[in-house]
Amino acid sequence: EAGVVQSPRYKIIEKKQPVAFWCNPISGHNTLYWYLQNLGQGPELLIRYENEEAVDDSQLPKDRFSAERLKGVDSTLKIQPAELGDSAVYLCASSLGGRDEQYFGPGTRLTVT
Amino acid sequence: KQEVTQIPAALSVPEGENLVLNCSFTDSAIYNLQWFRQDPGKGLTSLLLIQSSQREQTSGRLNASLDKSSGRSTLYIAASQPGDSATYLCAVIDGNEKLTFGTGTRLTIIP
Repeated sequence: EAGVVQSPRYKIIEKKQPVAFWCNPISGHNTLYWYLQNLGQGPELLIRYENEEAVDDSQLPKDRFSAERLKGVDSTLKIQPAELGDSAVYLCASSLGGRDEQYFGPGTRLTVT
Repeated sequence: KQEVTQIPAALSVPEGENLVLNCSFTDSAIYNLQWFRQDPGKGLTSLLLIQSSQREQTSGRLNASLDKSSGRSTLYIAASQPGDSATYLCAVIDGNEKLTFGTGTRLTIIP
């Protein structure tokens, strides 16, 4: 069974440029999460989806970050414009439901120069 | 606000030894606790999930315990191997179904 798929694995952009990350969760998983992980820290939730609905986006900086999960399957996270402080690893995870075991993708390492 | 703490931040032990990693959380109203490992530059791999009604879970050489009332969990690794070297993270799911992570323990097994 395929795990959570993310692309790209690495991205280097200049500040003020836009960037997008893509995630395909495990088949059948209704809940999808986007996390941000800074070096030496645990992941922090950005947004959680139950099917197509964003049920928790309280930590998403909405002035520059946006996300969508249009058909309740794969999802895209966008940053526009990127800032130097956005350099981090962006992780996607999925689970059957909100209280179930979460499975993580390999992450996208973003470097903003 | 839930806070999760893992001490120590780093640990080195000789190969073959048994070891314990610690995790504590401030709000005992959790649904479950999950232990992950993270290899450098990689995503998180789920190791064990303990439901709030359970006291422990075992998988191979790993055993995780949960004392919900005191806000503590331990991950026991038996007969450590160099391949066990990684960062180990614990995380708890609270009443809002939010997963809160600790900062991890970086484990090094010395051959």
